[in-house]
Amino acid sequence: ETGVTQTPRHLVMGMTNKKSLKCEQHLGHNAMYWYKQSAKKPLELMFVYNFKEQTENNSVPSRFSPECPNSSHLFLHLHTLQPEDSALYLCASSQQNSHGPNTEAFFGQGTRLTVV
Amino acid sequence: GQQLNQSPQSMFIQEGEDVSMNCTSSSIFNTWLWYKQEPGEGPVLLIALYKAGELTSNGRLTAQFGITRKDSFLNISASIPSDVGIYFCAGPRISGTYKYIFGTGTRLKVLA
Repeated sequence: ETGVTQTPRHLVMGMTNKKSLKCEQHLGHNAMYWYKQSAKKPLELMFVYNFKEQTENNSVPSRFSPECPNSSHLFLHLHTLQPEDSALYLCASSQQNSHGPNTEAFFGQGTRLTVV
Repeated sequence: GQQLNQSPQSMFIQEGEDVSMNCTSSSIFNTWLWYKQEPGEGPVLLIALYKAGELTSNGRLTAQFGITRKDSFLNISASIPSDVGIYFCAGPRISGTYKYIFGTGTRLKVLA
């Protein structure tokens, strides 16, 4: 079983649909992240959750709504998306401590989202 | 803010050749991470570096944490076709919240 699991792997949705992406980490980490990766662009950080609290929202449009019910699960709720939102959405987790910055981040396999 | 410049942007090499790529920053990092991403997949951690000057190997991969803490290098020896992918450097932001800075990636293609 991989450390970070994302479902679904592929998703095609219409602009009026509502869908959710799910991420689950089995590493006992306390921080989780959503990244967007568009073709030929660097990874874009979207949201960061630490101990279930959202600590960063990187100016993401409100049509993306994250939810972190516990430290092992992270969701990204999608509604009224645009075709330019089509991308690979990656979840990651890491362990934070009170003494300093992060250690390694581990990624899921991603959800390939296509908005039609 | 902290940014990571990665070079080269892309490389085409023959199977069996050695590969070198690097990552530089205008500010210091306490940790350097190197990832590989294959098409349609998430990045996979290859090597993590924690100390300036540290040299770490993982099979045919060797990475070094620059002494100035502003750069890192990744070398791949005797490349094989499955080395194809995009290689990213990354590091945690020194101050503030829990955010990783990623380089723009080096796209590697290996010709058999």
